[in-house]
Amino acid sequence: DAKTTQPNSMESNEEEPVHLPCNHSTISGTDYIHWYRQLPSQGPEYVIHGLTSNVNNRMASLAIAEDRKSSTLILHRATLRDAAVYYCILRGGSNYKLTFGKGTLLTVNP
Amino acid sequence: DAGITQSPRHKVTETGTPVTLRCHQTENHRYMYWYRQDPGHGLRLIHYSYGVKDTDKGEVSDGYSVSRSKTEDFLLTLESATSSQTSVYFCAISWDRDTEAFFGQGTRLTVV
Repeated sequence: DAKTTQPNSMESNEEEPVHLPCNHSTISGTDYIHWYRQLPSQGPEYVIHGLTSNVNNRMASLAIAEDRKSSTLILHRATLRDAAVYYCILRGGSNYKLTFGKGTLLTVNP
Repeated sequence: DAGITQSPRHKVTETGTPVTLRCHQTENHRYMYWYRQDPGHGLRLIHYSYGVKDTDKGEVSDGYSVSRSKTEDFLLTLESATSSQTSVYFCAISWDRDTEAFFGQGTRLTVV
């Protein structure tokens, strides 16, 4: 399975933008890039996903490099509620599994 | 939000007893997953299903079995619970293998 690499932790200030990076140099052509987050004491929740083009939704934006070997999740204005562990995952192709790495722990300072 | 329900939400059981956790969905999603989450280990995949009666092992399947006799239910069974299986268990569903997944609220299992 293709692997992703994320920083262990990042810190941001409230109301500032946050850019969470993810490297996936072994991504295959059929892999979608998914982002999930897990707030304290809750189950993971879907944030956004994309294949090649940048994507926007009400929660975040996803910027995908032209060679697809990296991507960035963008939170435009961080709030205290965005403090969570963020996971970057590759899905699709012949891979039925949905496996999580350690993710990035985002701390948001007031 | 996808209709996904885990039951029970909390359970305390004794070592050696069988335990079954249920994941129920109302969305007709094809894929279903069971995870456990322990401090310091993150989410680890136990078993998954890609259709009725189609299941496969994940990273940490020893001591666990699953069954999916109908689309809406995915059961996780601990045949003989051990203290090392004390954990929070999450179920997830997805329509296809490249679509977004939705997670249940979790089941906190304590084996004493």
